Amino acid sequence: GENVEQHPSTLSVQEGDSAVIKCTYSDSASNYFPWYKQELGKGPQLIIDIRSNVGEKKDQRIAVTLNKTAKHFSLHITETQPEDSAVYFCAASKQDYKLSFGAGTTVTVRA
Amino acid sequence: NAGVTQTPKFQVLKTGQSMTLQCAQDMNHEYMSWYRQDPGMGLRLIHYSVGAGITDQGEVPNGYNVSRSTTEDFPLRLLSAAPSQTSVYFCASSPTGSGNEQYFGPGTRLTVT
Repeated sequence: GENVEQHPSTLSVQEGDSAVIKCTYSDSASNYFPWYKQELGKGPQLIIDIRSNVGEKKDQRIAVTLNKTAKHFSLHITETQPEDSAVYFCAASKQDYKLSFGAGTTVTVRA
Repeated sequence: NAGVTQTPKFQVLKTGQSMTLQCAQDMNHEYMSWYRQDPGMGLRLIHYSVGAGITDQGEVPNGYNVSRSTTEDFPLRLLSAAPSQTSVYFCASSPTGSGNEQYFGPGTRLTVT
């Protein structure tokens, strides 16, 4: 099955700085790569996703890049704010229903 | 819309007890799934359903049963709880078709002693 590795496991950044989270996947047939944000005590919520026919996607302060050859994708958050503090999960899927998740990254934005 | 709802929020069971975790969605989504979340392991798929009357196993199905008699409801049953099933359980739903967001419920924190 698909194996998704996510790094780092924790990330502390100064408010206003950028944060980058990286994921690798094992199955070259995977074609859908969503990113979820989980706040304390809540369920994960989709923040951005990318398909294998696209190399980069941006939505305001967040962006995702995908390198199919290297089988890795990354989440970039610019101008971090305190409300960006949360746990972030990457995921990969061949079929859109069955997601394989990374272990998560706890992001702390220091004021 | 209430979205995806889960009950209970918290539950403590003794080893060997049985219980059902409830999940309901009011968005008329065809796809529903159950995940468990354990520290350092992300979310792992337990069971999923692509429509009423259709269920299938995910990555970690042992010890869990599901059924899907209606589009709205997708309960998860633990027949004989074990300490290894201590976890946070999330239900999610999604419309059919490709590239659709999965909407997660608020979770159920289960402790088995």
